[in-house]
Amino acid sequence: GESVGLHLPTLSVQEGDNSIINCAYSNSASDYFIWYKQESGKGPQFIIDIRSNMDKRQGQRVTVLLNKTVKHLSLQIAATQPGDSAVYFCAESPGANSKLTFGKGITLSVRP
Amino acid sequence: KAGVTQTPRYLIKTRGQQVTLSCSPISGHRSVSWYQQTPGQGLQFLFEYFSETQRNKGNFPGRFSGRQFSNSRSEMNVSTLELGDSALYLCASSGRQGSNYGYTFGSGTRLTVV
Repeated sequence: GESVGLHLPTLSVQEGDNSIINCAYSNSASDYFIWYKQESGKGPQFIIDIRSNMDKRQGQRVTVLLNKTVKHLSLQIAATQPGDSAVYFCAESPGANSKLTFGKGITLSVRP
Repeated sequence: KAGVTQTPRYLIKTRGQQVTLSCSPISGHRSVSWYQQTPGQGLQFLFEYFSETQRNKGNFPGRFSGRQFSNSRSEMNVSTLELGDSALYLCASSGRQGSNYGYTFGSGTRLTVV
């Protein structure tokens, strides 16, 4: 069936380093991809999104890369800060009005 | 403007009881989606409402139901609670034509079934 999964359950990085969080998806019909950040006690917070007609999109300190050939999505965070410590989810959808399918989540821990 | 508001924040219920959770979307948003979040299964889609109509439904048993009111506020109900229903229930709203775009989540309702 369709699934979205993450390669690693946890990621520990040094403050100031760049972080890369990876995600694999299996639905080749996926058209829309989103990264969310969830802090303890809060709901997921939108970070950045990308449509399938793009392979890269940049935001403030974040970049999302999409490789449709291997169905792989990654989130790059530049100059990781302690405030970036959270659980990160990728999500995908085949269309605007279809449900979002979320990955399991990966914990990013930033060492001071 | 105010974000997505979910009430109550915490609930403790006994097996066999029923529960109703409430979600008030961002003003002007017409799409409301519900998700169940557990450590083992992650975030799983329950259902989505748009203009008082259920537009999408996930793979949950009929004990899980929802509705949306004319003011876009939404409720979800779980009947005959089971221990496995213990989870964080999240609501998300969107005001754009495509409901996935511009999703904003509330902080959730933490349901514990004992």
